[in-house]
Amino acid sequence: EVQLLESGGALVQPGGSLRLSCAASGFTFSSYALGWVRQAPGKGLEWVSAINDRGGDTYYADSVKGRFTISRDNSKNTLSLQMNSLRADDTAVYYCTRRSQYYNSWYTDSWGQGTLVTVSS
Amino acid sequence: QSVLTQPPSASGTPGQRVTISCSGSNSNIGTSTVNWYQQLPGAAPKLLIYSNNQRPSGVPDRFSASKSGSSVSLAISGLQSEDEADYYCATWDDTLFGGGTKLTVL
Repeated sequence: EVQLLESGGALVQPGGSLRLSCAASGFTFSSYALGWVRQAPGKGLEWVSAINDRGGDTYYADSVKGRFTISRDNSKNTLSLQMNSLRADDTAVYYCTRRSQYYNSWYTDSWGQGTLVTVSS
Repeated sequence: QSVLTQPPSASGTPGQRVTISCSGSNSNIGTSTVNWYQQLPGAAPKLLIYSNNQRPSGVPDRFSASKSGSSVSLAISGLQSEDEADYYCATWDDTLFGGGTKLTVL
């Protein structure tokens, strides 16, 4: 069974930093692209970032580019999201996601339970 | 406000067939596949449909989807109380999500 377990969510002040982690199990971690999707309280889903299976290619939403860094450790089956210069509008539940490919298109086939990040003074 | 437009709400009675639309443009849905996600209350999203009309194993065949031009539709037949959830369309390899539709089973 695929399991994605996020951790690291917390209350942080504007301008602060936070590092989220996602521990994966139940599949061959190094064979899958991964990502982060967030959901502000009472709002819809917003894609944040993605990384390919080897970690060499990373992608970011414009809203977080230059502030967030996605990385992975295939030896530890762990995905991370380093978040700097946090703003109030970064407040959300952050989901760790597994991405799969079907021909030339991608989809999210697994989601973690999410971790809450609150940016407030 | 997302560039993928979904109705904020939809409703139906048990056994009924309901559809949820997702409208985009030639630059997104018109040239990319669409995936659909179901989010039950208090839970993480779950994959419902991928690549326009493919159903993952374990998803009942009551759920189906279609695409026409720059719009897509999710259809749920034989509506059940447990279908009450938020539904999201997504395109551009899941980098663009619709605003979501809250489905109420009356």
